[in-house]
Amino acid sequence: EAGVAQSPRYKIIEKRQSVAFWCNPISGHATLYWYQQILGQGPKLLIQFQNNGVVDDSQLPKDRFSAERLKGVDSTLKIQPAKLEDSAVYLCASSTPRGTSYNEQFFGPGTRLTVL
Amino acid sequence: GDSVTQMEGPVTLSEEAFLTINCTYTATGYPSLFWYVQYPGEGLQLLLKATKADDKGSNKGFEATYRKETTSFHLEKGSVQVSDSAVYFCALSRQGGSEKLVFGKGTKLTVNP
Repeated sequence: EAGVAQSPRYKIIEKRQSVAFWCNPISGHATLYWYQQILGQGPKLLIQFQNNGVVDDSQLPKDRFSAERLKGVDSTLKIQPAKLEDSAVYLCASSTPRGTSYNEQFFGPGTRLTVL
Repeated sequence: GDSVTQMEGPVTLSEEAFLTINCTYTATGYPSLFWYVQYPGEGLQLLLKATKADDKGSNKGFEATYRKETTSFHLEKGSVQVSDSAVYFCALSRQGGSEKLVFGKGTKLTVNP
């Protein structure tokens, strides 16, 4: 079974530029998550989708971050404009729908963003 | 809000030593508790989990017991190997894992031969 795919793996941009990350979850997984992991800290949820609807975006800085999950499959996370403090690893995860017996979140390899 | 506090690292051990990484949590209700591991150059992987009080999660020789009275979920292994070198994250989730995970800061473990 293929895992969660993310691209690019690395990205370096200058502040005030825009950037986009892509995630393709495990086939059939209805729930998709984007986490931000700043160096030395644990991952923090930015946004959670159930199919193509948003379940939780309470910690998403909506003035600069946006995310979409068209057709309930893959997803894009965008930052515009980027700030220095956005330097982090952006992790995508997916899981099976609520009501199933096993709801493990499977993580992708992450995209490491450096903002100069 | 919900939070997880885990032992500060880094932790350096010799092969075959006993490992304990402490984890305590603050949450309303009865969250599910997890340990995730991140090997060098790889993504986060679920190591073990427990969904209710007194449950013991175990995998690859690692164990952790859900202690509601002390709000703890300490990770233990009796004899570590070099291949266990990684960063370990304690986490909780309100709804068995389908809701967001709240992570601790992580503990880096290095095992020397």
